[in-house]
Amino acid sequence: GNSVTQMEGPVTLSEEAFLTINCTYTATGYPSLFWYVQYPGEGLQLLLKATKADDKGSNKGFEATYRKETTSFHLEKGSVQVSDSAVYFCALSDRNQGGKLIFGQGTELSVKP
Amino acid sequence: GAVVSQHPSRVICKSGTSVKIECRSLDFQATTMFWYRQFPKKSLMLMATSNEGSKATYEQGVEKDKFLINHASLTLSTLTVTSAHPEDSSFYICSATQGWDTGELFFGEGSRLTVL
Repeated sequence: GNSVTQMEGPVTLSEEAFLTINCTYTATGYPSLFWYVQYPGEGLQLLLKATKADDKGSNKGFEATYRKETTSFHLEKGSVQVSDSAVYFCALSDRNQGGKLIFGQGTELSVKP
Repeated sequence: GAVVSQHPSRVICKSGTSVKIECRSLDFQATTMFWYRQFPKKSLMLMATSNEGSKATYEQGVEKDKFLINHASLTLSTLTVTSAHPEDSSFYICSATQGWDTGELFFGEGSRLTVL
């Protein structure tokens, strides 16, 4: 079945450091890929998405490229801020499964001043 | 973007009672809604898929009689935790989709259930 694997957290970085959170997936079809973010005490928000191979999703300085050959969708940001501290979830949605999202386990990011 | 609202955001109840959580799509019609459960420091576990006007489809291991889901209209789905016990304490999140085109889901704020 479909699945998503993320790097384990927590990840602790200093402000302005480079961020990479790895995400790989397994899917039988052609999924859409997403990164969701959950700030402390809040609900999930879509951060970015990519719907086909080689697409790059970007938002708020974050980027992720849909790599079919490596089945990956790694999240990157060149310079993190304290306000980026949150839990990040990689997810996929497969049309063959009615659009439900399959989530990775989440990666907690803590950015120190 | 589309807005999904959940109510209540927090609820505390006694063991053995039932609790209903509402999920509404405020500015779009949601033919499909999903219910997830999130444990502390853990990912989201899909509980069931709710389609308007039909019975919900539950994921393996989720008790249908324990977690009653009703999707009576295109803007409202409800999750009722029946005869709640402390192990049912969790963060429940609903999501809704406008359609497959983008595959994007819009999430409610979540409802934290504490069973004493």
